[in-house]
Amino acid sequence: QQQVKQSPQSLIVQKGGISIINCAYENTAFDYFPWYQQFPGKGPALLIAIRPDVSEKKEGRFTISFNKSAKQFSLHIMDSQPGDSATYFCAASSGGSYIPTFGRGTSLIVHP
Amino acid sequence: EAGVTQSPTHLIKTRGQQVTLRCSPISGHTSVYWYQQALGLGLQFLLWYDEGEERNRGNFPPRFSGRQFPNYSSELNVNALELEDSALYLCASSRPGAGREETQYFGPGTRLLVL
Repeated sequence: QQQVKQSPQSLIVQKGGISIINCAYENTAFDYFPWYQQFPGKGPALLIAIRPDVSEKKEGRFTISFNKSAKQFSLHIMDSQPGDSATYFCAASSGGSYIPTFGRGTSLIVHP
Repeated sequence: EAGVTQSPTHLIKTRGQQVTLRCSPISGHTSVYWYQQALGLGLQFLLWYDEGEERNRGNFPPRFSGRQFPNYSSELNVNALELEDSALYLCASSRPGAGREETQYFGPGTRLLVL
């Protein structure tokens, strides 16, 4: 059973556009939601994370929106740049676990 | 500061063989995590070692095993390789006493191909 569902699987955006990646979870015990960015040939790197006591967190061009009642969270990349082209993973963890559950990833391509 | 290193970078094995993958954490980090990244499946948690002890194990068969050495480096062993073991194996490390919100720093991975 996939506990964190991520969509879309792939995304193509023009430079300057907004990239939106969505995730939904089932386990109501999840209370920490990180996003990871992975470039080809590299391991994932933490991009931004949110706890459910806030509905939005922004860091530069990257924003996480969180909807606790819907059990959904999303990553918005404003003014998308070709350098943002990478695979993005959402994840979720609960208080009793140090191990995040990952979504299946979204391959983002930003065309110049 | 040197990042997490993994060796080898690529590996080709045949079904039924055994393989050992190695990971060196960031200096000062005591926790090491192993993940399997198969195509289209995201990251699947394999094992977590902290201070030389296995702390948690993912939903993988016993032929996946590992250990952590006194210098905090780690090995992942996979016995009786199967075709579906073909994947990128990622190692991550985190600081001592890390809570679950502590960042895991990933290495570049070892790509294993089983023929």
